[in-house]
Amino acid sequence: GESVGLHLPTLSVQEGDNSIINCAYSNSASDYFIWYKQESGKGPQFIIDIRSNMDKRQGQRVTVLLNKTVKHLSLQIAATQPGDSAVYFCAENNWDSNYQLIWGAGTKLIIKP
Amino acid sequence: KAGVTQTPRYLIKTRGQQVTLSCSPISGHRSVSWYQQTPGQGLQFLFEYFSETQRNKGNFPGRFSGRQFSNSRSEMNVSTLELGDSALYLCASSADRGDSGYTFGSGTRLTVV
Repeated sequence: GESVGLHLPTLSVQEGDNSIINCAYSNSASDYFIWYKQESGKGPQFIIDIRSNMDKRQGQRVTVLLNKTVKHLSLQIAATQPGDSAVYFCAENNWDSNYQLIWGAGTKLIIKP
Repeated sequence: KAGVTQTPRYLIKTRGQQVTLSCSPISGHRSVSWYQQTPGQGLQFLFEYFSETQRNKGNFPGRFSGRQFSNSRSEMNVSTLELGDSALYLCASSADRGDSGYTFGSGTRLTVV
């Protein structure tokens, strides 16, 4: 069946370094991908999205890369800050899933001082 | 503009009771999706409503139901509560089919004792 998965459940990064969070998806028909950040006690917060007709998109301190050949998605966070500590989820959407976001398991990002 | 509002924030119920959770989407958004989040299962899709119609439903028993009103506000109901229903219930709104992103509320933390 369809699935979106993350390679690492926990990622520890030194403050100031760049973070890279990875995500694999299995449905080649997926055409829209979203990264969310969830802090403790809060709902997921939209970070950045990308459509399948692109392979890179940049936001403020974040970059999403999409490799459709290997069905891989990554989120890069530049100059990681303590406020970046959270669980990061990737999600995919496609018309085959009929409006249902398919979520990865999540990666917990820990910032070391 | 106001975000997605979920009420109540916290709820404690007894096994066998029923519960109703409420979600007010962002003004102008007509799509409302509901998710259950537990530590073991991650984010699981419950259902999605658009213009008062359920467009998609996840793999949850019939004890879980929902509805959407003409002002796009949505409610979900869980009858005959079980201990395993303890979770964070999240609501997300979108302008249409979610291809412009979803905005989440902070969730309702339901504890069944």
